Amino acid sequence: NAGVTQTPKFQVLKTGQSMTLQCAQDMNHEYMSWYRQDPGMGLRLIHYSVGAGITDQGEVPNGYNVSRSTTEDFPLRLLSAAPSQTSVYFCASSSGGGWSTEAFFGQGTRLTVV
Amino acid sequence: AQTVTQSQPEMSVQEAETVTLSCTYDTSENNYYLFWYKQPPSRQMILVIRQEAYKQQNATENRFSVNFQKAAKSFSLKISDSQLGDTAMYFCALSGGSEKLVFGKGTKLTVNP
Repeated sequence: NAGVTQTPKFQVLKTGQSMTLQCAQDMNHEYMSWYRQDPGMGLRLIHYSVGAGITDQGEVPNGYNVSRSTTEDFPLRLLSAAPSQTSVYFCASSSGGGWSTEAFFGQGTRLTVV
Repeated sequence: AQTVTQSQPEMSVQEAETVTLSCTYDTSENNYYLFWYKQPPSRQMILVIRQEAYKQQNATENRFSVNFQKAAKSFSLKISDSQLGDTAMYFCALSGGSEKLVFGKGTKLTVNP
């Protein structure tokens, strides 16, 4: 059972480049979210989804785009990378009933924008 | 809006001693859930303990227990008999009946030998 899989684990981008962070879960979870983790800032919510075809913005959505075409996949797109997007990104999922039960996290993607 | 506040950026404790991490929160929901997650240097997020707001009894998991004060909107984590492996970032999190799970800024705990 793979759980939540994020790819890549590390990435270096140049300012202005675009890329997609992949997130896949094999637990049939309806709820999925993307967070970014910065020193002293905790985990801040970027975008979240409550099921296929449904997404919404979190606390820090600017510069990021998401889609949820299947239950399993929830990719995060950086449209035009900026140094301020240097961070560690986590994808998480939870079973139906919202986030009332344990959230499962991927291993994270460390992104550096130069 | 849901908010979570952790007022202790860093703490340290001697091995085998007890330490308490603080967390306060705010939500307008009557039914909500609170969590403590641990993040060791490996970066993996690990659930430590979970509390349902409608349950009066404080949750306990082995050496980890919480002091849930609903009226004060406080949710502290007590770690007894601290071990070197408890060294990690600890995040308090709130799910307030909405579609979001929100986190505090974290407390970096160091257990000294």
